[in-house]
Amino acid sequence: AQTVTQSQPEMSVQEAETVTLSCTYDTSESDYYLFWYKQPPSRQMILVIRQEAYKQQNATENRFSVNFQKAAKSFSLKISDSQLGDAAMYFCAYRTMNSGNTPLVFGKGTRLSVIA
Amino acid sequence: DGGITQSPKYLFRKEGQNVTLSCEQNLNHDAMYWYRQDPGQGLRLIYYSQIVNDFQKGDIAEGYSVSREKKESFPLTVTSAQKNPTAFYLCASRQGLNTEAFFGQGTRLTVV
Repeated sequence: AQTVTQSQPEMSVQEAETVTLSCTYDTSESDYYLFWYKQPPSRQMILVIRQEAYKQQNATENRFSVNFQKAAKSFSLKISDSQLGDAAMYFCAYRTMNSGNTPLVFGKGTRLSVIA
Repeated sequence: DGGITQSPKYLFRKEGQNVTLSCEQNLNHDAMYWYRQDPGQGLRLIYYSQIVNDFQKGDIAEGYSVSREKKESFPLTVTSAQKNPTAFYLCASRQGLNTEAFFGQGTRLTVV
């Protein structure tokens, strides 16, 4: 079974600075998706960024980018120019590409605080 | 607007009672999922359904039951057999291989 590990239960960052959230995963599969979800205080889950394992290029969405290291099974999220609205729980998630509607597997999350 | 609706937002249950959480989607998605969220535990899969009239147990199915009689609806029943039901419950849906999962706004269940 696949597992996702987020080793940082809490992180903090100064406004306008950069922070990196860590995620590692364990799988024997070669084709899969990786995701970062944000859960603000409203508790609505919001997709931040996704990466297909077959793509070598790291995904980027505005201030959010990932460092995907397939051999190391590592998938970190970098948030640049941090804003107060970035304060939230962040979850790393994995999904196999081998079947259409299999569930996401989540890590335990990292709570990010942004200091003004 | 298309989306997923969970109701109620807050739910209180007396010990020994069953309670049903509602999840409805109008996205025409085949797959629907129920997750439980506890502090420090992330999201853990309870049950999921890939098509109507079919569902599979997730990692923590004990004490829960589901049905999938309609494509739009995937209700979760928390039975009296669930010893620690107080948690935040999230429903999600998805369609196809190369798509993201969409989440409802959750139901907070408290046992009183």
